[in-house]
Amino acid sequence: GAVVSQHPSRVICKSGTSVKIECRSLDFQATTMFWYRQFPKQSLMLMATSNEGSKATYEQGVEKDKFLINHASLTLSTLTVTSAHPEDSSFYICSARAVDTQYFGPGTRLTVL
Amino acid sequence: KNEVEQSPQNLTAQEGEFITINCSYSVGISALHWLQQHPGGGIVSLFMLSSGKKKHGRLIATINIQEKHSSLHITASHPRDSAVYICAVRGGSQGNLIFGKGTKLSVKP
Repeated sequence: GAVVSQHPSRVICKSGTSVKIECRSLDFQATTMFWYRQFPKQSLMLMATSNEGSKATYEQGVEKDKFLINHASLTLSTLTVTSAHPEDSSFYICSARAVDTQYFGPGTRLTVL
Repeated sequence: KNEVEQSPQNLTAQEGEFITINCSYSVGISALHWLQQHPGGGIVSLFMLSSGKKKHGRLIATINIQEKHSSLHITASHPRDSAVYICAVRGGSQGNLIFGKGTKLSVKP
């Protein structure tokens, strides 16, 4: 079946640094990819929707200059957390839309010290 | 009121029990997803429904569009079924998913 991968699965970084998370659809082309954030014991919250070759659409309250999204190809989207702060520590999940459903990546746990 | 409500919030069962998790929503939808999130965080899509009923192994999902309600059933539950089960609805063909808060299931041996 369709698989979505994320890399890295875990990352620890110092405050003020930038972290890039990759999301790949492994056996299908995804024109639309989604980035979610999940805090402990909370629902997934949509951060942004990215369409291949165009600018991402950010949800209200999500800083586009802080969370840079690039969807350069039909199989790869990246999320860069710039100037990370401890409050950015969270579980980041990407998802890719196929023709009739949506597949989720395994997530990336970010810890900012 | 949340657009997607799940019940119960937490559920503890003994191995072998029949389990039902409910999801009610208040918006018009084009599809409903049931997702399973493991303790490590990874999410698996279990079902996508727009009508009727689907079955996969010991899992059964039903949806009643008129009543805006869906149920996820697990037959002969097993400790490995322990996870958070999330209901998510899509508001339109291109709409985003709206997630419920999840139901944490623990199955004891």
